[in-house]
Amino acid sequence: EAQVTQNPRYLITVTGKKLTVTCSQNMNHEYMSWYRQDPGLGLRQIYYSMNVEATDKGDVPEGYKVSRKEKRNFPLILESPSPNQTSLYFCASSRKPPGGGSDEQFFGPGTRLTVL
Amino acid sequence: AQSVAQPEDQVNVAEGNPLTVKCTYSVSGNPYLFWYVQYPNRGLQFLLKYITGDNLVKGSYGFEAEFNKSQTSFHLKKPSALVSDSALYFCAVRLGTSGTYKYIFGTGTRLKVLA
Repeated sequence: EAQVTQNPRYLITVTGKKLTVTCSQNMNHEYMSWYRQDPGLGLRQIYYSMNVEATDKGDVPEGYKVSRKEKRNFPLILESPSPNQTSLYFCASSRKPPGGGSDEQFFGPGTRLTVL
Repeated sequence: AQSVAQPEDQVNVAEGNPLTVKCTYSVSGNPYLFWYVQYPNRGLQFLLKYITGDNLVKGSYGFEAEFNKSQTSFHLKKPSALVSDSALYFCAVRLGTSGTYKYIFGTGTRLKVLA
């Protein structure tokens, strides 16, 4: 089954304790992206990757790191989490259309993070 | 600044009536436009997209959207609403600049279809 998986689904942690949220897709997609969803703010893009070893900042990258060493994986790293990073996080992937344009994103189920 | 606006936080409609969820955008260049739906405790699901061509695009579950370049709008529509359409709807723009995968999402509109 084609899917995007995220782990963990729920996480409660404390300020300053480094954490990683994993994201994996099995569709051989070139593009991957991380978003955070907050009430009243919709989804905001944190980082994106256009292929292996190619990442770039979205609108809200502060406090986050990413890496793309393999095509299927795109982990999100919070080196020193703070309470304002409490949010619902989504990973997404999409194909790079051979003729240009843009394909739809496939989203993971979300990770609910609470930083105390 | 580039932005996507969904002016209504919530839209209520009676089952069987037509529905419209509004979206306007302000971006440079030619954007790629999308609608996604989010059901409770789920990730987002793709509904439809406009890349180029016909201004009226049809998508999943009977939804359609009309691209209006002069009004920079991309409103989501459905001729006859179902209770099961009740969900959170997001309009999104992928910036058209080559070499970027930047997306801007609206703040979402909660659709309530009343039986």
